Amino acid sequence: AQSVTQLDSQVPVFEEAPVELRCNYSSSVSVYLFWYVQYPNQGLQLLLKYLSGSTLVKGINGFEAEFNKSQTSFHLRKPSVHISDTAEYFCGTSYGKLTFGQGTILTVHP
Amino acid sequence: DVKVTQSSRYLVKRTGEKVFLECVQDMDHENMFWYRQDPGLGLRLIYFSYDVKMKEKGDIPEGYSVSREKKERFSLILESASTNQTSMYLCASSFTDNYGYTFGSGTRLTVV
Repeated sequence: AQSVTQLDSQVPVFEEAPVELRCNYSSSVSVYLFWYVQYPNQGLQLLLKYLSGSTLVKGINGFEAEFNKSQTSFHLRKPSVHISDTAEYFCGTSYGKLTFGQGTILTVHP
Repeated sequence: DVKVTQSSRYLVKRTGEKVFLECVQDMDHENMFWYRQDPGLGLRLIYFSYDVKMKEKGDIPEGYSVSREKKERFSLILESASTNQTSMYLCASSFTDNYGYTFGSGTRLTVV
């Protein structure tokens, strides 16, 4: 079985500050790892994914994530956030089916 | 781009009604999924399907059933709607496990 824990339910941050959204996973097998973003009143959009190879993965909108196998983590980072990054972010693992964490609401303040 | 279309954006139904939520994808994806989204709980998998006429239970299948008669269409059925099924329902499809999922815009269902 696989599970995902997002360690922060809400992250407030000021515009142009760096941000990290934390995600830990557990699985007895190798899985694929994903980050999705959901803007208000919309479906989910894929930000980035880790399948294998380089542990640093770059995605859309300036986001990146680092896969750390020893710590079973896949934290999402952005060096400088914008107001438009305000959204809910979901971490997920996939082994036949995609399992999500509880979500982290990122709020960027001016 | 792959498009996943959910037939209704908002639905209001009465307790005990039979409810159909429809989902259509246009990219010949093998795999289709139904999730419900609730605040603080994230997305939870209800049912999924890897092929026509095939279905598998997800994590919370109770009170739901599904139908996949054609590859592009995956329907979620609430046999007798209850107020605790008030939620946002999201449909998704994928080609393979490592491809990533494409999501519809969601159906916000309210059961009164």
